This record gives sequence, C-alpha cells and structure tokens, in this order.
Amino acid sequence: GENVEQHPSTLSVQEGDSAVIKCTYSDSASNYFPWYKQELGKGPQLIIDIRSNVGEKKDQRIAVTLNKTAKHFSLHITETQPEDSAVYFCAKSFGNEKLTFGTGTRLTIIP
Amino acid sequence: GAVVSQHPSRVICKSGTSVKIECRSLDFQATTMFWYRQFPKQSLMLMATSNEGSKATYEQGVEKDKFLINHASLTLSTLTVTSAHPEDSSFYICSARGGGTGEKLFFGSGTQLSVL
Repeated sequence: GENVEQHPSTLSVQEGDSAVIKCTYSDSASNYFPWYKQELGKGPQLIIDIRSNVGEKKDQRIAVTLNKTAKHFSLHITETQPEDSAVYFCAKSFGNEKLTFGTGTRLTIIP
Repeated sequence: GAVVSQHPSRVICKSGTSVKIECRSLDFQATTMFWYRQFPKQSLMLMATSNEGSKATYEQGVEKDKFLINHASLTLSTLTVTSAHPEDSSFYICSARGGGTGEKLFFGSGTQLSVL
C-alpha cells in the first residue's frame, strides 16, 4: 500500500494532559486503521482500531478519530500517565491485506 | 484476547551459523502470519507474508534463501536466518491474524538477534 505519514515524530506531554498523534494517507481503498503501542524491547501492542464506516471510537482514555474524506486519522490519549510513555505507530490496510505502518511517534510523559 | 508467542526473545550467534525463531498463536488459528524486521528507532519493515500450507511471499529486496519461512500449521510459523552475518543483527517480530480476529493483527514479543 501507499505510505502513511505520521506526526509528530516526538511528543512530550505533562502528566495529566492530553496527547494527539495524527496520520495521513493518500489512497482511497484503505478501510482499516489500527494504532499500536510499542515499549522498548517488546513487540507492538494493538491498543485501538477503527474501520472506515465509523468516524470515532473510544476506549477509556484512548480515542481514535477518522476523517475519510480528508484521509487522516488521529489518536487521542487523555489524562496521560507515565506508563503511556512509548512509541506509537499508526497503520492502515484494505481488508485483510498487509498493514502499512507510519514512521512512529515517541511519546514521553513528564511527571 | 489473541496471544502470539515468539521465542527466543534474545539470541546471540556466531557469524555463519543459522538461527531459528518460532512464532505461535496460542488461542486462535493463524491463517496468515507476517514477519517484520525493525532497526533501532525505526518503523517495522515487512519481510514476508506466509499463509498456512503455502509458500511465503517475500517483499522486494528480501532474500528468500537467506530468510527461510515455514508455516506448516495453523498455530506455528518459523523464520530461519541462514548463514547469519553481523548485518543480519536486528529485532525480528512476527504477527498473526486468523479465525476470529478479523483484520486485527497481533504481534509477538520480538527476537533480538545479535550476530558476532
């Protein structure tokens, strides 16, 4: 699939504040958009995902929004905690085809 | 949730030897498994896709004779790095999807390979 642009590459947020990471894509076929959290020395962990027929999805402190017209989707983390510090990757795919990953965002929560 | 187990987590080997990495889906049947390579502070680079019972499909630039992938059962895939060299040192990660997981892709914990 075509590339996914992810911004910012690094993000530092005061504990308790919100963090937002944005990804943009260019193709029209992609219909599945997951977000992964990767801690140092570990594999990526699926934290939330959204399909193209939905504009927003929320799971406790984590939410994802999708604007399929503008071809961008964002991860929102509210009330950030130190354990939220990690590298976050967005990704996209069309159905069960292979995922295309963003370049990653290193999130640091400042106590 | 879906669990993917990967072993070993870390391996150190001498140049010229072969290393096998195992990836198992513990609570679902993995019809498709993916193998990735990740360099420090970089994103995941897809190496190959394997479907159970079929030959793996390799991404452009990945040597199929060097990175042997076997997906003989619905719960196990293996990656063998043959005649390893220092430049093969990297973090290798498997992932799997299958019955019941839909499009969701679940990852193993990764294997840090160091070739001396």
